[in-house]
Amino acid sequence: DTEVTQTPKHLVMGMTNKKSLKCEQHMGHRAMYWYKQKAKKPPELMFVYSYEKLSINESVPSRFSPECPNSSLLNLHLHALQPEDSALYLCASSQAGQGFEKLFFGSGTQLSVL
Amino acid sequence: AQTVTQSQPEMSVQEAETVTLSCTYDTSESDYYLFWYKQPPSRQMILVIRQEAYKQQNATENRFSVNFQKAAKSFSLKISDSQLGDAAMYFCAYRRSPGSARQLTFGSGTQLTVLP
Repeated sequence: DTEVTQTPKHLVMGMTNKKSLKCEQHMGHRAMYWYKQKAKKPPELMFVYSYEKLSINESVPSRFSPECPNSSLLNLHLHALQPEDSALYLCASSQAGQGFEKLFFGSGTQLSVL
Repeated sequence: AQTVTQSQPEMSVQEAETVTLSCTYDTSESDYYLFWYKQPPSRQMILVIRQEAYKQQNATENRFSVNFQKAAKSFSLKISDSQLGDAAMYFCAYRRSPGSARQLTFGSGTQLTVLP
């Protein structure tokens, strides 16, 4: 199994809603990532978890709250989002190596905030 | 800070022909890693090829090869015998050496169209 599975594929939410994005991998990877991607732009790193501990937070607003409950799962909890947060949210995983390791990406969750 | 520049927002190639996508980067590091990722309409980012900066030999993966010029800080991607399935957005990416923050720095992307 070389897949990273993200659910849901599409999400529409209001600014007062609370929702969660989920990401799962069964490749034994110990590094997991959340990226945000606007249309026709490169992905922007949000968070990195290494061995289930948050290792990088790229100054992301607190309305985004990541969680890594175990080595296979990564969640992104959303609360009080703004319309400008509408984007494709990509999850990725890799071996927790030294930088040359391949990142495996999911197909993303397309989020629309109304 | 490291920057990655892709100067070709869009490229097109005839099926079965060869195309080269350009990428330049700026860094003061001597040890680093370079990558090409593709993002087809399915939106899933897929690694195409990668290169370790200390290796002089250019990486190849089947129809994909790179021209790595370390002194010029250039890392172009050549796609030979282009296929319709190669149509995608291609991102060049840089990653610092071990022991430092390990995030990828992406270029702005090149949208490749393959014409039948």
